[in-house]
Amino acid sequence: DAGITQSPRHKVTETGTPVTLRCHQTENHRYMYWYRQDPGHGLRLIHYSYGVKDTDKGEVSDGYSVSRSKTEDFLLTLESATSSQTSVYFCAISASGETQYFGPGTRLLVL
Amino acid sequence: AQSVTQLDSQVPVFEEAPVELRCNYSSSVSVYLFWYVQYPNQGLQLLLKYLSGSTLVKGINGFEAEFNKSQTSFHLRKPSVHISDTAEYFCAVSRSNYQLIWGAGTKLIIKP
Repeated sequence: DAGITQSPRHKVTETGTPVTLRCHQTENHRYMYWYRQDPGHGLRLIHYSYGVKDTDKGEVSDGYSVSRSKTEDFLLTLESATSSQTSVYFCAISASGETQYFGPGTRLLVL
Repeated sequence: AQSVTQLDSQVPVFEEAPVELRCNYSSSVSVYLFWYVQYPNQGLQLLLKYLSGSTLVKGINGFEAEFNKSQTSFHLRKPSVHISDTAEYFCAVSRSNYQLIWGAGTKLIIKP
């Protein structure tokens, strides 16, 4: 398995609070992605990164921001969590932007 | 715009029977194609991929898929399923900007 970890693995938070999810890789891959997975919607891309400090929006980026200050870490921040952001969040990495490898996921519950 | 259609949301099949999970895509350019599997409460795992070359691609756990350019399909098959194959299967197609376009997923339900 690709060396990808996500933290925390589970989180419960309250509406209006900021939340940061971390994705850490040991593969030195250039590309990193954040997805959310919801029943009936499949996987939806939130943001992705194509290098250190190089990021771009995906299809569901509203309410989320990201940062990548070093190759191995990609942070996803929910600036003010809402109940609609309750979801399972997956990080993925890719060496060449072609095949993606996924982390174990973070379950987020916003009350 | 590119899109991926997984024609069945659920496929029930008896154990040891063959199975086919269907995936069609729309694209006017060459693409890379992928199948991922997600076991309950786990992340997604790469099952197989087509980048170029032979149109019949073999993956892990006895699965294979065939790329059909004329029908823009990439159906996943297994000749004999096992209870451990119970999972959700996702088809994906690459975009030119290093992103994947995902199908909605097909749940494979194995009946004993």
